[in-house]
Amino acid sequence: EAGVVQSPRYKIIEKKQPVAFWCNPISGHNTLYWYLQNLGQGPELLIRYENEEAVDDSQLPKDRFSAERLKGVDSTLKIQPAELGDSAVYLCASSFGRGEDTQYFGPGTRLTVL
Amino acid sequence: GQQVMQIPQYQHVQEGEDFTTYCNSSTTLSNIQWYKQRPGGHPVFLIQLVKSGEVKKQKRLTFQFGEAKKNSSLHITATQTTDVGTYFCAGPDSGTYKYIFGTGTRLKVLA
Repeated sequence: EAGVVQSPRYKIIEKKQPVAFWCNPISGHNTLYWYLQNLGQGPELLIRYENEEAVDDSQLPKDRFSAERLKGVDSTLKIQPAELGDSAVYLCASSFGRGEDTQYFGPGTRLTVL
Repeated sequence: GQQVMQIPQYQHVQEGEDFTTYCNSSTTLSNIQWYKQRPGGHPVFLIQLVKSGEVKKQKRLTFQFGEAKKNSSLHITATQTTDVGTYFCAGPDSGTYKYIFGTGTRLKVLA
């Protein structure tokens, strides 16, 4: 069974540029999460989807971040414009059920903003 | 807001020594999960505890969920170099359902 797929794995951009990350969850998983992880810290939840509905986006900086999961499968996370402080690893995870279930993480996208 | 703290932040042990990390939430959790993240890797699920006072074992790892469902511990017996990594607890707040990760404990095992 394929795991959570993320692309790109690495991205280097200059500040004020836009950037997008893509995630394909494990087949059959209804819940999808986007996390941000800074070096030496734990993952911080940005947004959680149940199918195509964003059920928790309270931590998403909505002035520059947006996300979508149009058909309840793949998801994209966008930053526009990127700032220096956005440099981090962006992790996508998926789980089968309501959000209490085991989360399976993708390899992450390491973003560097210059 | 809800916080999940882990202590210690770092731990260096000699191979063969035991290791324990403690997880403390400011609010009650519906369940608690433990993840291991190797350097440069992504979090990998280890175990989930659901019931108050629950204890589970996986080979050399023992996990415990507190009676009040606000704290948890992970104990590793006779550490090995393969145990190196950062251990995170995580779980959903039982009231808000907001999912939060702990601050993590980074384990280094010296051969």
